[in-house]
Amino acid sequence: SYVLTQSPSVSVAPGQTARITCGGNNIGSESVHWYLQKPGQAPVLVVYDDSHRPSGIPDRFSGSNSGNTATLTISRVEAGDEADYYCQVWDSSSAHPGVFGGGTKVTVL
Amino acid sequence: QVQLVESGGGVVQPGRSLRLACAASGFTFSSYGMHWVRQAPGKGLEWVAIISYDGRSKKYVDSVEGRFTISRDNSKNTLYLEMNSLRVEDTAVYYCVKGNWGTGLYFDHWGQGTRVTVSS
Repeated sequence: SYVLTQSPSVSVAPGQTARITCGGNNIGSESVHWYLQKPGQAPVLVVYDDSHRPSGIPDRFSGSNSGNTATLTISRVEAGDEADYYCQVWDSSSAHPGVFGGGTKVTVL
Repeated sequence: QVQLVESGGGVVQPGRSLRLACAASGFTFSSYGMHWVRQAPGKGLEWVAIISYDGRSKKYVDSVEGRFTISRDNSKNTLYLEMNSLRVEDTAVYYCVKGNWGTGLYFDHWGQGTRVTVSS
C-alpha cells in the first residue's frame, strides 16, 4: 500500500515560514490533503487537493505538490499554529485506500 | 453547520465487543461516504473504514478486517462501527469523519471522538 513519509518535527520562530513535507512515490500524481491537530482536539482540514483552502482557513496556509514531495507552507507563523500536521491521500486502487503520513510536530519557538 | 457526535466508547476486556455510533446533522447524510479514523495514545492518525453513501460498499484497514463492521442507517442519520474480538492494540480515540471529493477524497468534518480502551 501507499506510504507517506513526514519528518517528525519542525521548529520555527514567530513570524517566520514553516515548511512541512510529505514524501511519497510519485506523490505529484496524487491529490494530497493536510490536517492540523492541536492537543486534545479533533483534526481540522487546512488544505485539500494539494493547494485549496477550506473556508475559514487563513491564507497563511498554502500547499504544493510535485514529484515525490508535497509541501504545506505556513507563512508568518503564529504561536497558535503550534500543532501536529498530517498529510493524507486516498489510494483508490488499494483495498485499504486511506493513507495518512506519520505526522509532523510544529513547535513555535 | 455540520455536526458529528460519537458515542459508545468505554473500557472493555480483550476479546469482547463494542458498538460505536455517530449521529450526523447539518448536511444530507445519505449523500456522502462516511469513515472511521482512529488515533492510539500518543500516535498518529489511522484510517479504519469507509462506507459508501448507500451502504453498499465498504473497505477496511488490514488490521481490523474480519473483526470490525461499518454500517449506516440513512433514515436515522447515524453511522456505526461494530467492533468484535477487540485487542489491546485497538485502544484509541475513534473519530467519525465525513468524506468529500475534489480531485481526491478528503475528510472535511470530524467528530470530537470517542475513546475506546481495551484492557484486562
